[in-house]
Amino acid sequence: GAGVSQSPSNKVTEKGKDVELRCDPISGHTALYWYRQSLGQGLEFLIYFQGNSAPDKSGLPSDRFSAERTGGSVSTLTIQRTQQEDSAVYLCASSFPYNEQFFGPGTRLTVL
Amino acid sequence: QKEVEQNSGPLSVPEGAIASLNCTYSDRGSQSFFWYRQYSGKSPELIMSIYSNGDKEDGRFTAQLNKASQYVSLLIRDSQPSDSATYLCAVKTSYDKVIFGPGTSLSVIP
Repeated sequence: GAGVSQSPSNKVTEKGKDVELRCDPISGHTALYWYRQSLGQGLEFLIYFQGNSAPDKSGLPSDRFSAERTGGSVSTLTIQRTQQEDSAVYLCASSFPYNEQFFGPGTRLTVL
Repeated sequence: QKEVEQNSGPLSVPEGAIASLNCTYSDRGSQSFFWYRQYSGKSPELIMSIYSNGDKEDGRFTAQLNKASQYVSLLIRDSQPSDSATYLCAVKTSYDKVIFGPGTSLSVIP
């Protein structure tokens, strides 16, 4: 594809449920990033992948959050036992290592 | 001290004026600097990258970098209402991490 794609675009879930968010990076980009952005706030770094490994998980807010990347391509961010404070837009970006990042359209998560 | 700081907004300029957006960073070894624009409800989009001291121009946009002062700026000439957005400064640090600033909200008044 031409750009980073994310799915779903919107997700409404009930408190306590698990959710999976998907990111499909630009072909050839080995670096992949997940961010969270709450309404009116800046970008909050969650996790960085280089290939399939995650050298930097420092931004994951709790052990309810996990992410994986397979085949050096698609990544999935999983949030277990969702809480209302998890409501935000989750953004994925990809890049060649240490170069400009290109963002996907985001997934808007609403936890009721 | 935060790793990447930007001038607090919101910044309002009249149409046709020059908008000046500033960013400072703490890691002296940083080598790569990026400006992103984010419209409300949209994801950030890359405007410019700059790697060397001095100015880099692209259309109405000019990025300026001063590594000695640990300062990078973005100038928008002939500002248009369509430039109204939040502008994010991003810095690739010497420890290979990209840090985003909090953003500056710009409003161009017709």
